[in-house]
Amino acid sequence: SAVISQKPSRDICQRGTSLTIQCQVDSQVTMMFWYRQQPGQSLTLIATANQGSEATYESGFVIDKFPISRPNLTFSTLTVSNLSPEDSSIYLCSALLPSYEQYFGPGTRLTVT
Amino acid sequence: QKEVEQNSGPLSVPEGAIASLNCTYSDRVSQSFFWYRQYSGKSPELIMSIYSNGDKEDGRFTAQLNKASQYVSLLIRDSQPSDSATYLCAVGGSQGNLIFGKGTKLSVKP
Repeated sequence: SAVISQKPSRDICQRGTSLTIQCQVDSQVTMMFWYRQQPGQSLTLIATANQGSEATYESGFVIDKFPISRPNLTFSTLTVSNLSPEDSSIYLCSALLPSYEQYFGPGTRLTVT
Repeated sequence: QKEVEQNSGPLSVPEGAIASLNCTYSDRVSQSFFWYRQYSGKSPELIMSIYSNGDKEDGRFTAQLNKASQYVSLLIRDSQPSDSATYLCAVGGSQGNLIFGKGTKLSVKP
């Protein structure tokens, strides 16, 4: 398995501001992902964080709103920009291991006021 | 559009019974299948992975896969109140990502 940490665990932000979430994995992994889980819903993939290149975004998610960085094989950040109340959600990073199993961080609970 | 379908429940079983959770998927070429458990306010925890047809057992959990029917199931034997959670079925995507069902909420009554 893998140990994945995220910071912050939760935050309350004002409309129009941005929040950057950090994700750290305890081992080098080839693939990292960012998901969103809205209240009472399942997980939706935002993007694949590619090391050394631009992230690959899913339909409905754009780089201007969700810029992602991945400077190395153990670390990634997701920024949620120009916040609105609709962005209130839990944001989760995950790492794919060579076994094809995927493990999740503890999540970041974002509330936008 | 690849889809994963689960009965949202809630599924209620008495303590000690077998809980049966089911999942169907739309993409016939899918190769990897996972069950995650998610407690309220926590992130998903991987409990089972299965890649080939048949059964895979791990402790009280058994995952079953039938690729011809595009069907995955999870059996929990001797259910305990601590098993009460939402169970998410996930199918591996072509890019290594996961496609999740909406989850089945399980309640185990003492």
